[in-house]
Amino acid sequence: EDQVTQSPEALRLQEGESSSLNCSYTVSGLRGLFWYRQDPGKGPEFLFTLYSAGEEKEKERLKATLTKKESFLHITAPKPEDSATYLCAVRISNDYKLSFGAGTTVTVRA
Amino acid sequence: GAGVSQSPSNKVTEKGKDVELRCDPISGHTALYWYRQSLGQGLEFLIYFQGNSAPDKSGLPSDRFSAERTGGSVSTLTIQRTQQEDSAVYLCASSFVAGGRGFTDTQYFGPGTRLTVL
Repeated sequence: EDQVTQSPEALRLQEGESSSLNCSYTVSGLRGLFWYRQDPGKGPEFLFTLYSAGEEKEKERLKATLTKKESFLHITAPKPEDSATYLCAVRISNDYKLSFGAGTTVTVRA
Repeated sequence: GAGVSQSPSNKVTEKGKDVELRCDPISGHTALYWYRQSLGQGLEFLIYFQGNSAPDKSGLPSDRFSAERTGGSVSTLTIQRTQQEDSAVYLCASSFVAGGRGFTDTQYFGPGTRLTVL
């Protein structure tokens, strides 16, 4: 059975304290791995797509990496505005829907 | 440009009533998706449209749920005889095409409709 697991469930950081979020997946035929950010009461906001092992993408303080079994979202020197729930999703070959993990809720204290 | 819009933003209904939720995708996006987000369940897929056709309805939880899309644009998700377990946030997303790669594959989400069934 295809699965997407995110850890930790929650992460509390001090402003400037870098950390990483993990998304592990067990799927056949990965077609793409997606990272979204979701603020309370809003829809998910697209961050990155990764397609092959070894690929990396960066945006401001965020960097996403991909291996054959997992993806990491690194947050460097976070600020309070980085507080959100970060969702990981996968799409497999011959399918169009996204399968989501449960998310990691990040809280950054000033 | 305008993103995905959904209406209403909030809907409170009584058990047994029918509800309609609307989604306006990004202009030019041919693929449209409905997802549901419940506490403790995460985001789950409901149905996907390519144009006005729905090749994948596998996520619809029961025959009380139906959806249509007209003119390759607006979509309506209808829930008949609502039950308390239908309470959730219903999210719509659209992408330029389905099954592409790069920017064409990215699904952009609307703000959602929060449905509460009393």
